Amino acid sequence: EADIYQTPRYLVIGTGKKITLECSQTMGHDKMYWYQQDPGMELHLIHYSYGVNSTEKGDLSSESTVSRIRTEHFPLTLESARPSHTSQYLCASKGGRTSTDTQYFGPGTRLTVL
Amino acid sequence: KNQVEQSPQSLIILEGKNCTLQCNYTVSPFSNLRWYKQDTGRGPVSLTIMTFSENTKSNGRYTATLDADTKQSSLHITASQLSDSASYICVVSDRGSTLGRLYFGRGTQLTVWP
Repeated sequence: EADIYQTPRYLVIGTGKKITLECSQTMGHDKMYWYQQDPGMELHLIHYSYGVNSTEKGDLSSESTVSRIRTEHFPLTLESARPSHTSQYLCASKGGRTSTDTQYFGPGTRLTVL
Repeated sequence: KNQVEQSPQSLIILEGKNCTLQCNYTVSPFSNLRWYKQDTGRGPVSLTIMTFSENTKSNGRYTATLDADTKQSSLHITASQLSDSASYICVVSDRGSTLGRLYFGRGTQLTVWP
């Protein structure tokens, strides 16, 4: 069982609100990721981090931003939520130095913007 | 273009029956292929991983095969249980992705009926 947590699990919010999705892991992993997943579709990487003070945009363009001030914490922020942001957001982390090391996923946040 | 295609999109079987899920990929250069299980409303959990030199890997009632020449993989589930109802996602990593960037299929939604 992976020690990676996401809060809130579900969020329904109005257009224009600022939101922050929390992700934390207790495994000491240096690499962390945010994915966006719509029903029946593949996961799309939107942000990743190699370590503290390192953040990069992923393959899918996103209006969200991330920060990595502490190893264990990788929050995602939307300054002004819109209905197009409605989706499931999954956080993941990985230790090690090779591509065979496992990415562990959190339970996800289901975001609905009205 | 690196892609991962899965079939069937969805599958319904009766409890106790076997089934096989398919995955075709074009990711190159290939590093490894994983099968993940994603329960509804949860994050994916890794079931198996295979590298180029491995052609079969088992995890309990789950057996994955890999044909690196034809770029195909399958996941066989034996004696299915109700708890096997989930989405099964094929994920391929390329050799340059030492930092863990992955290519995801859309998944096969498996439903096991009593």
